[in-house]
Amino acid sequence: AQRVTQPEKLLSVFKGAPVELKCNYSYSGSPELFWYVQYSRQRLQLLLRHISRESIKGFTADLNKGETSFHLKKPFAQEEDSAMYYCALTLFKEYGNKLVFGAGTILRVKS
Amino acid sequence: DAGVTQSPTHLIKTRGQQVTLRCSPISGHKSVSWYQQVLGQGPQFIFQYYEKEERGRGNFPDRFSARQFPNYSSELNVNALLLGDSALYLCASSFLTVSYEQYFGPGTRLTVT
Repeated sequence: AQRVTQPEKLLSVFKGAPVELKCNYSYSGSPELFWYVQYSRQRLQLLLRHISRESIKGFTADLNKGETSFHLKKPFAQEEDSAMYYCALTLFKEYGNKLVFGAGTILRVKS
Repeated sequence: DAGVTQSPTHLIKTRGQQVTLRCSPISGHKSVSWYQQVLGQGPQFIFQYYEKEERGRGNFPDRFSARQFPNYSSELNVNALLLGDSALYLCASSFLTVSYEQYFGPGTRLTVT
């Protein structure tokens, strides 16, 4: 079965420090990987997807198929980055829009 | 556009009762998916509907059912409620049945006592 693991429930960093939110997945095929973010009192929203290879709000994520990882990184954290971050995968060909989410990591950026 | 809307915002039910949750997708979106999010966990897929047909089903008992209407809005029904059904129920919409971006609603908080 597909599984997404986010090993850290909480990651606390100081403003200006680098951030890395870890995500590992288990699936033998070629899933599509995403990062979703939920800011306080806001709805869940897409942050970035691996197929786009883009940087959103300074965040990047590289898909490493060998290590089955999709870690989210930002070189300099900002206070407004504080939020809950979810890693997710989908298997379009087999399961349509079904997203499999990890348990999430709370990022707290301290001033 | 107000985005995906869900109703009610929250509700409290008793064990054994039935509940209906509603979702209105973004205008023009034809796919609606439902997720259950238990406290401390990520959302878990329940159903996907596209053009009024079920396109996917998660590992949930038959007490859970859903349907999609001609205007693409959707209802999620849960029968014979259990304490473990207490959760935030999220609805997500997208234009296609396969889409790189889904838009989530604010959720309905269900508490079963």
